[in-house]
Amino acid sequence: EAEVAQSPRYKITEKSQAVAFWCDPISGHATLYWYRQILGQGPELLVQFQDESVVDDSQLPKDRFSAERLKGVDSTLKIQPAELGDSAMYLCASSWQELNTEAFFGQGTRLTVV
Amino acid sequence: DQQVKQNSPSLSVQEGRISILNCDYTNSMFDYFLWYKKYPAEGPTFLISISSIKDKNEDGRFTVFLNKSAKHLSLHIVPSQPGDSAVYFCAASALQGAQKLVFGQGTRLTINP
Repeated sequence: EAEVAQSPRYKITEKSQAVAFWCDPISGHATLYWYRQILGQGPELLVQFQDESVVDDSQLPKDRFSAERLKGVDSTLKIQPAELGDSAMYLCASSWQELNTEAFFGQGTRLTVV
Repeated sequence: DQQVKQNSPSLSVQEGRISILNCDYTNSMFDYFLWYKKYPAEGPTFLISISSIKDKNEDGRFTVFLNKSAKHLSLHIVPSQPGDSAVYFCAASALQGAQKLVFGQGTRLTINP
């Protein structure tokens, strides 16, 4: 069964260090999302790609966060420098380009900044 | 600005009874609504969806109702089973918003034996 792959599953990093997360969406899915979920809250969209283009990054803290999807397939989300408040679950999701289809989520990366 | 709201952080239901999870939204442009289920340390899994042209969608034990005039939707699970214990997220998207999914805060459902 096709699934969204994310790595690593868990990451502990010291504040001010750089950290990167990787996502491989379901094959053929043109839309890719990065969400951040803080414990007790719902997922919050950080960035949305359509193929290799960013269609929404309004909630991405651009002074420290960056995301790319160079070939329109897999994607990397980077944080530099990491801050204590960045501790959260980072979720990647993908969907077909057609309208009104569900997004499929990966298992997420649990980030702890110490 | 919380566009999708789930006002009940938690809900406890006896096994075999009906579970009803509620969700309200403020953005009248939303035209597609989804429910996701999430277990600890896993990503959300899609459960059921409904388009704004419908007021009900049913899939086995799960039924979603949409009341556009009240900007309210609900998820009914009947009968509830212990495996249904999880956090449930309501999400919404708008055609005009490039299908950006906006999530509620989630409701933790506990099914008691």
